[in-house]
Amino acid sequence: SQQGEEDPQALSIQEGENATMNCSYKTSINNLQWYRQNSGRGLVHLILIRSNEREKHSGRLRVTLDTSKKSSSLLITASRAADTASYFCATPPSSNTGKLIFGQGTTLQVKP
Amino acid sequence: DVKVTQSSRYLVKRTGEKVFLECVQDMDHENMFWYRQDPGLGLRLIYFSYDVKMKEKGDIPEGYSVSREKKERFSLILESASTNQTSMYLCASSLRSAGGPTEAFFGQGTRLTVV
Repeated sequence: SQQGEEDPQALSIQEGENATMNCSYKTSINNLQWYRQNSGRGLVHLILIRSNEREKHSGRLRVTLDTSKKSSSLLITASRAADTASYFCATPPSSNTGKLIFGQGTTLQVKP
Repeated sequence: DVKVTQSSRYLVKRTGEKVFLECVQDMDHENMFWYRQDPGLGLRLIYFSYDVKMKEKGDIPEGYSVSREKKERFSLILESASTNQTSMYLCASSLRSAGGPTEAFFGQGTRLTVV
């Protein structure tokens, strides 16, 4: 069961530009999380946004959540070459579980 | 520093072998997960455990089993390895919360090749 789906699948930008990735999901959620994965490594948690929150910031990251549209977006401002990675959203398959289901991810390339 | 440690970074096994992938966390987390990651398919959940000896099937449990005898250790077992189980395997753990899933901490991954 693919709960979250990211869009676009791949994104290539120049250093200094902003990068926006989107995530859509199917069922009601308690929260939605974003993760980052550098090539060949484990995932690292970036940010968690609860269902009663609309926007959250962490450094150069801005996450929005629209529960009416069942969608979220991750914005990385002033991107750097070091931001090159894959980004995943993760949601529970239903609202009363600790399970985390990941989407297919967006691969971001930031060119210096 | 919190840690999830997977026993091997790279592993090569033969078809038909029984394979054990071990994962240990030092954060006293109740939840532990096994995922496999394949190009174009993202992360797919194999099994989830929410307590010692408790488990739930994920999306792709066929051909796999798990064991959680102690809170800190979650093992993934390939009963009879096949070439289509060649993949990157990722273990993760998280705290149990009534408010839904919490931040998950991942191991470095085990790249398994079945020949």
